[in-house]
Amino acid sequence: EVQLVESGGGLVQPGGSLRLSCAASGFTFSSYEMNWVRQAPGKGLEWVSYISSSGSTIYYADSVKGRFTISRDNAKNSLYLQMNSLRAEDTAVYYCARQWLVDYWGQGTLVTVSS
Amino acid sequence: QLVLTQSPSASASLGASVKLTCTLSSGHSSYAIAWHQQQPEKGPRYLMKLNSDGSHSKGDGIPDRFSGSSSGAERYLTISSLQSEDEADYYCQTWGTGRVFGGGTKLTVL
Repeated sequence: EVQLVESGGGLVQPGGSLRLSCAASGFTFSSYEMNWVRQAPGKGLEWVSYISSSGSTIYYADSVKGRFTISRDNAKNSLYLQMNSLRAEDTAVYYCARQWLVDYWGQGTLVTVSS
Repeated sequence: QLVLTQSPSASASLGASVKLTCTLSSGHSSYAIAWHQQQPEKGPRYLMKLNSDGSHSKGDGIPDRFSGSSSGAERYLTISSLQSEDEADYYCQTWGTGRVFGGGTKLTVL
């Protein structure tokens, strides 16, 4: 059974940093591209970042470019999102998602940016 | 510029059928999409991948009541024999960077 479990969310002050993790199981993690997708309270889904299976190709949404860094460790079956210079508008539930056309979602982790 | 357009809301009666639409912007009519369901207070759930020729592959455990079809730049999700648990937000998504998710359609089951 495919499982994606996010962790690392929480309350952080504006300008602060947070690192999200996604533990993958039930499939060959190293064979799949991965994404982070977020959802602000009461809003729709917003794609945040993409990483290819090897990690050699990475893309970011304009809204996070230069502040967020996606990475993966295929040996640990894990996906990460380093978030720096956080803003109030980054407040959202962050989902780990498998494949560019998403076929599996994690349960999400809430990030709240507030003073 | 890639844009996916969905109607904000739809409604249908219990036991009836409903057809939701996702429209791809000009120049992107050959793109495949994915449909996702998000029930209230839950995370999204993958329903199916839908190709431009109407062929589709559903996710694990998705009932036969859910089907997809395509016509030009439009991608459809049809839900038949509507049940109360089908009341949810439905999102379409395609390849690429930027705004790859539609705005979502809130389906109300009457």
